[in-house]
Amino acid sequence: QVHLQESGPGLVKPSETLSLTCTVSGDSITHGYWNWVRQPPGKGLEWIGYIYSTASTSENPSLESRILISLDSSKNQFSLKLRYVTAADTAVYFCARATSTFMDVWGKGTTVTVSS
Amino acid sequence: EVVLTQSPGTLSLSPGERATLSCRASQSISSTYLAWYQQKPGQAPRLLIYGASSRATGTPDRFSGSGSGTDFTLTISRLESEDFAVYFCQQYGGSPRVTFGGGTKVEI
Repeated sequence: QVHLQESGPGLVKPSETLSLTCTVSGDSITHGYWNWVRQPPGKGLEWIGYIYSTASTSENPSLESRILISLDSSKNQFSLKLRYVTAADTAVYFCARATSTFMDVWGKGTTVTVSS
Repeated sequence: EVVLTQSPGTLSLSPGERATLSCRASQSISSTYLAWYQQKPGQAPRLLIYGASSRATGTPDRFSGSGSGTDFTLTISRLESEDFAVYFCQQYGGSPRVTFGGGTKVEI
């Protein structure tokens, strides 16, 4: 069974960098598309970006200048860095696997609050 | 940018009733690239339908998806108590590569 688990600080100060990691078990990140999605409190889902197994990436243009998605195949993990955060980046952050055009396995999500 | 507009925002129904949820795209998309998710409070989204009409593993057959071009529909034939949740549609292939609709809440 495939399992994804997000980890990282729950509180980040404004203007700093949010860093999250998704640890994958039951599947190898050497194939597939590995996504980050976020959900601000009480709002809908926003796709952040994905990294493919070849390490090529695709990012949401609205966030592209601030994000870096990377993968570590030795640890079967992929990561998200979001720079210069503001209160608008407060959200639940999900990692998710996509083997095709849809996300079939999701992590439970981790809440990140941006506040001084 | 491909914008997905879901309607209605909220659907108030009773168990046993039929629910019809709409997802309209701002431009034509391939049905291959349209998916539906269910999300319950405090949980991650769960894939229900992919390719506009194919049920994901574990999706009950009371859920069905249809549509093409710019208009897609998720139908729940007879609502059960566990179906009261928020439903999102998602497209792949435009710019951004992935976008979600704003969601439809199905409530009692």
